Amino acid sequence: AQSVTQLDSHVSVSEGTPVLLRCNYSSSYSPSLFWYVQHPNKGLQLLLKYTSAATLVKGINGFEAEFKKSETSFHLTKPSAHMSDAAEYFCVVSDHSGGGADGLTFGKGTHLIIQP
Amino acid sequence: DGGITQSPKYLFRKEGQNVTLSCEQNLNHDAMYWYRQDPGQGLRLIYYSQIVNDFQKGDIAEGYSVSREKKESFPLTVTSAQKNPTAFYLCASSVRHAYNSPLHFGNGTRLTVT
Repeated sequence: AQSVTQLDSHVSVSEGTPVLLRCNYSSSYSPSLFWYVQHPNKGLQLLLKYTSAATLVKGINGFEAEFKKSETSFHLTKPSAHMSDAAEYFCVVSDHSGGGADGLTFGKGTHLIIQP
Repeated sequence: DGGITQSPKYLFRKEGQNVTLSCEQNLNHDAMYWYRQDPGQGLRLIYYSQIVNDFQKGDIAEGYSVSREKKESFPLTVTSAQKNPTAFYLCASSVRHAYNSPLHFGNGTRLTVT
């Protein structure tokens, strides 16, 4: 079985300061992990994915995430927040063991607020 | 540009009516998916299709139906049997149905049933 927990439902940072969005997962197998971003009334857009290659994954718009197997974490970071980063972020885990019928388990999302 | 087109963006229906949401992709992807999103929740899978003329129920299929007659099209019908149909519906596709294959999403249809 697999599961994913986004540890914060809301995160607020000031523009120009670092962003940290936390995601913990559980998986019986070597998982694939994804971060998606969703702006209001839009679909989800892939930020980055981990599929057992390098543990530090670089994504679009300056975001990156580090896969830490010992901590079962896949936290999303960005060195300097921009106003356009304000959105909902979803962590997703996928392996062979199940999750939903599509093999995916979505986190409940973290709402990122950027203060001017 | 390749992508997924969902239409309409907003849809209003009276209770008891069936309604069909359109989803078209020109990415040449084999797999397509329908998700439902409610406030404060993650996405929940309604139906998915790995290949033309084949589809499987997701986690919340009751009250919904789909068809996959063409590779590029995967319409979703919300029937009157769906008890709480008001939601944001997202269509997605992937190159293939595989655990490491990322999803590409459309911009969604917001359905309101009164």
